[in-house]
Order: sequence, then C-alpha cells, then structure tokens
Amino acid sequence: GAGVSQTPSNKVTEKGKYVELRCDPISGHTALYWYRQSLGQGPEFLIYFQGTGAADDSGLPNDRFFAVRPEGSVSTLKIQRTERGDSAVYLCASSLSLQETQYFGPGTRLLVL
Amino acid sequence: QQQVKQSPQSLIVQKGGISIINCAYENTAFDYFPWYQQFPGKGPALLIAIRPDVSEKKEGRFTISFNKSAKQFSLHIMDSQPGDSATYFCAAWTGNTGKLIFGQGTTLQVKP
Repeated sequence: GAGVSQTPSNKVTEKGKYVELRCDPISGHTALYWYRQSLGQGPEFLIYFQGTGAADDSGLPNDRFFAVRPEGSVSTLKIQRTERGDSAVYLCASSLSLQETQYFGPGTRLLVL
Repeated sequence: QQQVKQSPQSLIVQKGGISIINCAYENTAFDYFPWYQQFPGKGPALLIAIRPDVSEKKEGRFTISFNKSAKQFSLHIMDSQPGDSATYFCAAWTGNTGKLIFGQGTTLQVKP
C-alpha cells in the first residue's frame, strides 16, 4: 500500500513569507507526527496528533509554527513569518496507534532565503 | 537537553566487516529503542527495535545489544555491504508520549 506522502517535496521561500506543508498519512493510521531535521542532525520532535487533536505540541519552537489535522487524516504544518533558521527538512510520520511503529514520509525540504 | 547520545559520527568499514554504532540514554522512563536507516533524500525507515526487558535482538545481519544498567545500546551490522551505506539513527521513546528522541546520527560508508 501507499506510504506516507508529503507535499511539496521542496519549497523555497523568502524571509517573512508564510508556508504550508502537507502530510498524507498511511490510510487507517490514527497517530500522526511532525519532526524537523536540520542538516547533519537527527530528527527533532515538533508535534503529534491522536485523531484530530494535538496530543503534544511541546516541540513547536515558537508561536510562528502551527499544525492542524481537521478530519483526522491529512495534516498541514503552517509556518508564519518564516526565518532563515527555519530552513530544514520537515518530516511527517504516522502510526497505527500511539505505541506502534512510526513510518516516515520523504520529507519537505524548506529553504528560506 | 540531548537525551540520546550517539557515536561515532561517521564510520568507514570494509565490505564483509562488522559495523558497530553505540548509543547512550539518560531517561530511565524510555521503554522502546528503535534504530532507523536513512538514505539521502529519503525519510528514516525502521530497521530494528528492542524493549528494555531483552538484552539482545537479532534480525538477519542486524543485531541490537542492550545494557539496561549502563543505559547503553548498540547496533551491530554483520557482513557489512556497500548497500548498507547510509545514515543510522538510534532513538528512544516512552510509550505514553509518542515522541521519538533521536541520536545525532552515524554516517556509515562500506567500501567494496
């Protein structure tokens, strides 16, 4: 079956702009996670959803970052007033439930100029 | 605060050799320890995982050794192949949080 998909695969934007990154989880997976991976580093947790609600958003760096999952499937990570330091690969993962294996998508490579 | 420390940062091994990557953790509440493999331009993929009630787990050429008292665990890749060349991440979580804490990664190069 299809894995986790993320769009766009690459995004170049200018400092101060708004961006949206989309994640389509594996069908039937109730848990969805967002991570950020800087060059040469391991992924860092941002937020996860159990169903439609954000169960833990403690990893979001500041209030410029927001994520939604309105129907319990697709999720969108939103970044306002982008900064050069936001440049990274944003990874999405999903799992059948909270304590199950997380399957990662290919990521969205965000470059803020 | 870095909760999972991984070493070495990079590793070069000859084909057929053994690759060993080590991780240490601090939080004794961690109860699941997966290893992920990542190729350039791809997302991490689960390789093998272990829970702290087991000291060793083997799947094919990949083995996790786990030392609960030392709070350390390691990945051994036997008979390393050029196709194993990738970045490897150890990770840990507590089952009720859902969030994986990753190590910094090890870039493995297996020379033919």
